[in-house]
Amino acid sequence: AQSVSQHNHHVILSEAASLELGCNYSYGGTVNLFWYVQYPGQHLQLLLKYFSGDPLVKGIKGFEAEFIKSKFSFNLRKPSVQWSDTAEYFCAVSRYNFNKFYFGSGTKLNVKP
Amino acid sequence: NAGVTQTPKFQVLKTGQSMTLQCAQDMNHEYMSWYRQDPGMGLRLIHYSVGAGITDQGEVPNGYNVSRSTTEDFPLRLLSAAPSQTSVYFCASSRDPYTGELFFGEGSRLTVL
Repeated sequence: AQSVSQHNHHVILSEAASLELGCNYSYGGTVNLFWYVQYPGQHLQLLLKYFSGDPLVKGIKGFEAEFIKSKFSFNLRKPSVQWSDTAEYFCAVSRYNFNKFYFGSGTKLNVKP
Repeated sequence: NAGVTQTPKFQVLKTGQSMTLQCAQDMNHEYMSWYRQDPGMGLRLIHYSVGAGITDQGEVPNGYNVSRSTTEDFPLRLLSAAPSQTSVYFCASSRDPYTGELFFGEGSRLTVL
């Protein structure tokens, strides 16, 4: 069973539309949370991360994510997408003492100009 | 600063052939890992290493071997390639597998006929 779930596999938006991508995880205990992005033809790079503190974290390029512990969720948001945001987005979780990162299946975002 | 370097970028093999995917990093990271990326399945961990001489299995280790003789290098070996191993392979390294972000290589696209 998928332990990091991304519910939207493919999202199509027009420029200036708002974006929210869902991510849920099923691990108990202390976790760190990440969103990675893979632009077409490029390798994965970190978008933002949450370790502790303010559950609303801001990343690069205007992205933000909110950690809701009670819902085991870490959803990614952007108020107004651009064509250059077209990419695949991956949610990831790391667990204390497990030496592993667990990735979701990814969400492909297609932004129409 | 090269970061994580993977070679080759593309490879075509016949069933039963062997090959090694190379991965090198110049960031002095103790943690290194190999993932495979398949459509709709996200990234799945094959093997990882927390330091020279120490390796362990991930989610999908069958058919792959690794070794870690130096901090810099973490090669992935396919001893007898199968069509099911057709995939894109990513090497990633991190300063710390719990708190550190993963730095990815550009990927190696492998096709097994």
